[in-house]
Amino acid sequence: DTGVSQDPRHKITKRGQNVTFRCDPISEHNRLYWYRQTLGQGPEFLTYFQNEAQLEKSRLLSDRFSAERPKGSFSTLEIQRTEQGDSAMYLCASSGGRGGTGELFFGEGSRLTVL
Amino acid sequence: GQQLNQSPQSMFIQEGEDVSMNCTSSSIFNTWLWYKQDPGEGPVLLIALYKAGELTSNGRLTAQFGITRKDSFLNISASIPSDVGIYFCAGPSGGGADGLTFGKGTHLIIQP
Repeated sequence: DTGVSQDPRHKITKRGQNVTFRCDPISEHNRLYWYRQTLGQGPEFLTYFQNEAQLEKSRLLSDRFSAERPKGSFSTLEIQRTEQGDSAMYLCASSGGRGGTGELFFGEGSRLTVL
Repeated sequence: GQQLNQSPQSMFIQEGEDVSMNCTSSSIFNTWLWYKQDPGEGPVLLIALYKAGELTSNGRLTAQFGITRKDSFLNISASIPSDVGIYFCAGPSGGGADGLTFGKGTHLIIQP
């Protein structure tokens, strides 16, 4: 399977713990995005990488959130000192190659539940 | 920021019926995209539109880029059970940003 893969698919944690999600994009894609989705809402943009450079960060991305893409391939999203409001689906997407503007390919998501 | 309004919020239809949903924006878009999301999965791109007035089909799906560039429509003909899911419209966030802004989705439910 050469699609976007995310790990873990599900994570249950206690409030105050740190969690990390990993995303492996489609190999030839140079752009990588993180989105957050809560129940009944569309995905909300968090941050964007072009190769290894983090070019944009949403106001939704508080200081407790950090994302990296150290070698321009896979990316990690870490949430420190989790809060119950962080419970959501965290989606990774990639784009590039011959795709047009905005043609994002999403992974299956990592669902976070903070108790 | 950009806001996208989708309607209807949900649709209950019979198998075989045609479906029509739309999306309106508070500002002009140069690109419209339609995604479908199944429960527990990530959104999947259905159709991308790049020109005002453009009409594009993907199997039983047809989407149109409104002439005003502030709206788009998605039609599904002869619905089947696997069409069940949430349909999102999306467009560039604007302001030089490279992300997408999504609507809240139209939830399609097909009654047997």
